[in-house]
Amino acid sequence: AQTVTQSQPEMSVQEAETVTLSCTYDTSESNYYLFWYKQPPSRQMILVIRQEAYKQQNATENRFSVNFQKAAKSFSLKISDSQLGDTAMYFCAFMRGDLSGTYKYIFGTGTRLKVLA
Amino acid sequence: GAGVSQSPRYKVAKRGQDVALRCDPISGHVSLFWYQQALGQGPEFLTYFQNEAQLDKSGLPSDRFFAERPEGSVSTLKIQRTQQEDSAVYLCASSLRRNTEAFFGQGTRLTVV
Repeated sequence: AQTVTQSQPEMSVQEAETVTLSCTYDTSESNYYLFWYKQPPSRQMILVIRQEAYKQQNATENRFSVNFQKAAKSFSLKISDSQLGDTAMYFCAFMRGDLSGTYKYIFGTGTRLKVLA
Repeated sequence: GAGVSQSPRYKVAKRGQDVALRCDPISGHVSLFWYQQALGQGPEFLTYFQNEAQLDKSGLPSDRFFAERPEGSVSTLKIQRTQQEDSAVYLCASSLRRNTEAFFGQGTRLTVV
């Protein structure tokens, strides 16, 4: 069974600075996807960034980038130039890429990020 | 609609009461998920639909939980004889097809008193 671990329950960062959120996962699959989702107080989960396991290049999306280390099963999120609106819970998630069998997101327990003015 | 819509946003139920939570996915989305999120935790998978077929219900915690999507669009999650441990946010998500981005609704916060 797959598991996702986020070891940082809470983090804070000064506005305009950079912060890195950690995520590790465990799987025996070779084909899978990894995601970072943001959940603000409104509760709506918003996709931040997605990484296909077969791609060696780390995904980037404006101020958000990942450090994907497949061998180490590590998938960290870097937020550059942090903004007050980045304050939220961040969830790391895993999904099998196989088109057959189980299809679901497996989420970590989340990291609460607070951006300080 | 423009996004995934869930209703009601908040529900207070007395212990033992039955509740029904509704999810309106994005039009045309084949895949639909239900998740349960306890306070301070990550979402936990409940069930998955592909069109009207419930392909995976392995996450439903007991036979008091039942989900349906009879016409392949709107889905309802029903909880019978609610208990305090059912208190959580219930999230619905839909995606166009398998392995494409899932869009989440704002959830229904269920409180059982």
